[in-house]
Amino acid sequence: GAVVSQHPSWVICKSGTSVKIECRSLDFQATTMFWYRQFPKQSLMLMATSNEGSKATYEQGVEKDKFLINHASLTLSTLTVTSAHPEDSSFYICSARPSVSTDGYFGPGTRLTVT
Amino acid sequence: DAKTTQPPSMDCAEGRAANLPCNHSTISGNEYVYWYRQIHSQGPQYIIHGLKNNETNEMASLIITEDRKSSTLILPHATLRDTAVYYCIVSPSSGSARQLTFGSGTQLTVLP
Repeated sequence: GAVVSQHPSWVICKSGTSVKIECRSLDFQATTMFWYRQFPKQSLMLMATSNEGSKATYEQGVEKDKFLINHASLTLSTLTVTSAHPEDSSFYICSARPSVSTDGYFGPGTRLTVT
Repeated sequence: DAKTTQPPSMDCAEGRAANLPCNHSTISGNEYVYWYRQIHSQGPQYIIHGLKNNETNEMASLIITEDRKSSTLILPHATLRDTAVYYCIVSPSSGSARQLTFGSGTQLTVLP
């Protein structure tokens, strides 16, 4: 089956620094990638949708200037958490979709801890 | 989005069938029923989906009622590795640009 990877799998950073999380589709080209956030004991919440070569669409309440998404190629999307704060500590999960006519595949997630 | 209702938690004995219910009384005619599961600290894993007919694959069976207002996911022989949060999601067909909206799910614990 289709494989989606995320890097790093976990990261610890200091408050005020920026962290970049990568999402890669390893054996297919992803026209669309989705970023989710999951706080402890809660469900996944969609943050944004990105299409290759265009600006991401953010869900209501998600700060686009804080969570920078780049989808520069058909196999890579990055999420940069800028000026991270402890409340940004969460599990970030991406999903990549080969085309509009197919369902997406989820990555393994990245655990971010901001100290 | 059509919303789903699932019990927050269930237990199942190892080797027995696990039957996970889901209510989706406001489902629309073009919406599918999807099931995913999430093992602790991992990304969601697709299990199965269906429109109105019952479906079976190597992981599970999906039983959808005739009025499509509810469904049941069946894991025929649960193992300890099936312990996870199971999400029932309704969504338009895979041709839609909309992404899956996750509810709170059911925490299934398989007991030895």
